[in-house]
Amino acid sequence: DTAVSQTPKYLVTQMGNDKSIKCEQNLGHDTMYWYKQDSKKFLKIMFSYNNKELIINETVPNRFSPKSPDKAHLNLHINSLELGDSAVYFCASSQAGIGRAGELFFGEGSRLTVL
Amino acid sequence: KNQVEQSPQSLIILEGKNCTLQCNYTVSPFSNLRWYKQDTGRGPVSLTIMTFSENTKSNGRYTATLDADTKQSSLHITASQLSDSASYICVVYYAGNNRKLIWGLGTSLAVNP
Repeated sequence: DTAVSQTPKYLVTQMGNDKSIKCEQNLGHDTMYWYKQDSKKFLKIMFSYNNKELIINETVPNRFSPKSPDKAHLNLHINSLELGDSAVYFCASSQAGIGRAGELFFGEGSRLTVL
Repeated sequence: KNQVEQSPQSLIILEGKNCTLQCNYTVSPFSNLRWYKQDTGRGPVSLTIMTFSENTKSNGRYTATLDADTKQSSLHITASQLSDSASYICVVYYAGNNRKLIWGLGTSLAVNP
């Protein structure tokens, strides 16, 4: 039974479109995250939610909007997609906050390709 | 500037051999350091988490060390297996304002038969 699951795994779309990626965790964790991994394999945090409340919002374009309907779900909606948005997006969760050495559990990633 | 640098960038070894990956960081203040393994096409998986007061931690054939004075960490892999082929990423938790994890670029390890 997958702990952190993301859908879709692959997404190919045209510039200007709007798309969503969904994430669900069944670990009972309080905190969820979205990370972006670019072509250089560098992982960068985008957002973090704790119990449905936004706690980290790194400098990302406001075309990216996270939504957490409950603490087990964190979705990412992207408006007006651009070529530079092509990347692998990872969802993750942790029980404790990462500052308290909380272990991060990652999903399998969603590879977004913008044409 | 808070940075995490890893070396080597890539490494090829033969199955059964040992290897050591290095991580140097300038993050300050920091409270913990992690090593993750990322298989191709998969999400990162945690190997070890060490607080600043810990010097070594093992997870099976993986042993991480931490020297908080010199700001260096290493990950030693013993008796490598083909399944160890992956990217190994060092991550340091920045405990100052705007607390966050600072990720290295990883070392790409290939274990050949």
